This record gives sequence, C-alpha cells and structure tokens, in this order.
Amino acid sequence: GENVEQHPSTLSVQEGDSAVIKCTYSDSASNYFPWYKQELGKRPQLIIDIRSNVGEKKDQRIAVTLNKTAKHFSLHITETQPEDSAVYFCAALSRGGNQFYFGTGTSLTVIP
Amino acid sequence: DGGITQSPKYLFRKEGQNVTLSCEQNLNHDAMYWYRQDPGQGLRLIYYSQIVNDFQKGDIAEGYSVSREKKESFPLTVTSAQKNPTAFYLCATGFSEAFFGQGTRLTVV
Repeated sequence: GENVEQHPSTLSVQEGDSAVIKCTYSDSASNYFPWYKQELGKRPQLIIDIRSNVGEKKDQRIAVTLNKTAKHFSLHITETQPEDSAVYFCAALSRGGNQFYFGTGTSLTVIP
Repeated sequence: DGGITQSPKYLFRKEGQNVTLSCEQNLNHDAMYWYRQDPGQGLRLIYYSQIVNDFQKGDIAEGYSVSREKKESFPLTVTSAQKNPTAFYLCATGFSEAFFGQGTRLTVV
C-alpha cells in the first residue's frame, strides 16, 4: 500500500517568515494530495490540495508543489501569522481512490 | 456544521466495557472512514466503508468493529479486546476529499 512520510514533525518560525513542510509518497499511482490543518482539539480541515496533473497550486499565502518524478509534495506558507499555528497533515489518495494515507503531522508554531 | 456529526464529544469507558461511537452524515457520500489519533501521531485508519453493508479493515482494526446498515451512518464499537483505547477518534466521509467530524475523545477510567 501507499506510505506517506512527513517532515519535520515540529517547526517554529518567526511571524512573517515562511514555513515549508515536505511529504513523500511511495505509490506512483496516487493522484490526489490534500493538506489539512488541525487546530488544538478540533477536526482537521482541508486547506489546499493538488492533483497529479499540475505542479503547483496557490491560494493567497498558501501554496503546494508536487514533483511526481521524485514523489514528493510540499506545503509553503508565506508571511506566517500566529493563527497559522496548528498541526498540518499531508495525505495521498490511494490507487483506486478508496483510502487516504496521512502523514504523521507537523506541529507548526508561529512566534509573534 | 460540515454535514458530519459525531457523538458523543467525550466518552469514558470502564475496563472490559464495549462502547459505541456514532457518526452520521447528510452529505450523501458513499465512503466513510474511522481514524484514530494519538498525541503526536498521525491519523491511523481503523475501518472504512465504500458502500452500504460493506466495510474493510484498515491498519489498526483489531479490537474494533463497525457496521454500515445505512448510507448515513457508520458507528464504531470499541470492544474490550482493544487494550489501549484512550485516543481521539475521527470519522470522515468523502471520496475525492475527506470531510471530518468533530471527533470523540475516549478515555478509559
């Protein structure tokens, strides 16, 4: 099955700096890669996603890049704000589209 | 609120007791999932269901059971065989995108 690895597990940045979280996947047939943000005690919520037919997608301060050849994708947050502090999960949709595989999460802290 | 309702929000289980976590959705999605989340860890798949009356084991199904008698409902039972059930449980639905419920925090007392 698919294996998704996520790094780093924790990340601290100064407010205004950029944050980058990276994920790798093993199944070259996976074709959909969402990113979720989970605030403390709350449900994960989709913040951005990318499909395998594009290399980059941007939504205001958040962007995701995908390198299909290397089988890795990354989340980029620019001009970080304290409210960006949360746990971020990457995921890959399995071959056949019937199961999401999640990374182990990155705890991001934005220091004011 | 997202069309997925989990209940209860907090649940306490005594040793040797079975408990059932509820998950209901009104999004008309075929696929439903149960995940377990432990502190500092990712989401681990317990069970998933693609259609009514059918479900598949995930990575950590031992000590859990599910049913899918209705499209809208996918309850999870944590049995006494699950030796370390204290965790945050998340139900999700969707096919091309996973929508999550608010979660149930289960504690063994």
